[in-house]
Amino acid sequence: KAGVTQTPRYLIKTRGQQVTLSCSPISGHRSVSWYQQTPGQGLQFLFEYFSETQRNKGNFPGRFSGRQFSNSRSEMNVSTLELGDSALYLCASSLRTGRANGYTFGSGTRLTVV
Amino acid sequence: AQTVTQSQPEMSVQEAETVTLSCTYDTSESNYYLFWYKQPPSRQMILVIRQEAYKQQNATENRFSVNFQKAAKSFSLKISDSQLGDTAMYFCASGDMRFGAGTRLTVKP
Repeated sequence: KAGVTQTPRYLIKTRGQQVTLSCSPISGHRSVSWYQQTPGQGLQFLFEYFSETQRNKGNFPGRFSGRQFSNSRSEMNVSTLELGDSALYLCASSLRTGRANGYTFGSGTRLTVV
Repeated sequence: AQTVTQSQPEMSVQEAETVTLSCTYDTSESNYYLFWYKQPPSRQMILVIRQEAYKQQNATENRFSVNFQKAAKSFSLKISDSQLGDTAMYFCASGDMRFGAGTRLTVKP
């Protein structure tokens, strides 16, 4: 069965622009989480969605937002991009919230802000 | 929220030998789950092993096993018969998906 699919794989944006990243979870998975990974800060939790509702949110500014659709696909949006937003953005899905089962991750979207 | 700490930024091991990666955590929950993830250079994060806190028995998955010390809040990962393909970043994670800083493991031929 197909894994977690993230698109695009790579993205280059200019400071001040906005960007939307997409994540398609494993079929049947209803929970989707997003993470930002940078060499300096490591893996930081952005937010978690379950059945179209945001269940948890990390400590990121309001420029970072997300949503989940009825088919469990999720999008993450970053507005007014800053150089520090350059990172690998990982999406992960789970059947329910991943507290007991852990998550299956996608390959990530590498965002570069110039 | 749970916190997770990995104090070994880098480790190396010879092929076929055994290596142990350390992780400590803090939680106020009575029942919880802990995980080890592997992230090879291809960057795909892979779940290696999970441990349920209420189970006394340490989890094992083939060459990977954990040493779970609940009282000490320690959750280490042991890799036996290390292989070149085990070269990766290893992350310890809590059930609420907080990750440690990671340990970069290099397996040397």
